[in-house]
Amino acid sequence: NAGVMQNPRHLVRRRGQEARLRCSPMKGHSHVYWYRQLPEEGLKFMVYLQKENIIDESGMPKERFSAEFPKEGPSILRIQQVVRGDSAAYFCASSPGANEQFFGPGTRLTVL
Amino acid sequence: GEDVEQSLFLSVREGDSSVINCTYTDSSSTYLYWYKQEPGAGLQLLTYIFSNMDMKQDQRLTVLLNKKDKHLSLRIADTQTGDSAIYFCAGRAGAGSYQLTFGKGTKLSVIP
Repeated sequence: NAGVMQNPRHLVRRRGQEARLRCSPMKGHSHVYWYRQLPEEGLKFMVYLQKENIIDESGMPKERFSAEFPKEGPSILRIQQVVRGDSAAYFCASSPGANEQFFGPGTRLTVL
Repeated sequence: GEDVEQSLFLSVREGDSSVINCTYTDSSSTYLYWYKQEPGAGLQLLTYIFSNMDMKQDQRLTVLLNKKDKHLSLRIADTQTGDSAIYFCAGRAGAGSYQLTFGKGTKLSVIP
């Protein structure tokens, strides 16, 4: 059973461009979470999704950020008009239920 | 909201025991987790403990929970150089809560 897959592993964008981060949960997992890790910091919760539904987006910035988990395909975290402050590692986690969250390797976004 | 605090650095000699400490503020934290992050990698779930437990042991890892003081510790016996990593403590409130709240991580350095 492959783990949580994220791609790309590294993404470089110029200010004003869009960034799309993809996450494929572990097989059989229907819960997906996105977290952001700034340098020298712990992870901060952004959003929790189940298939076709956003359950909790209390950690998402109000503008430019959106997330989806369609019926088919990976979950997508989308950042529009990126700014330098968006540079961070973005981690996706998945779980079969509520107790354990298994993390992917992360996408490291650099905004020039 | 929840706040999770950890000391930032710990250095031990190979073969000694390591003890990584964590304090949390939210008494409703029902599940407490330890994750390991190696450089450039994602988070690996090491173990977790329910708040109705005082101790959990898994091979070289021992987790102790003091609910009164809201203090959690992770003991690694016979520490090896491969244990060098950043260790994150995380808490989650009970049913209906999905967010993990992370500390900033403790960087463990193992001296050969």
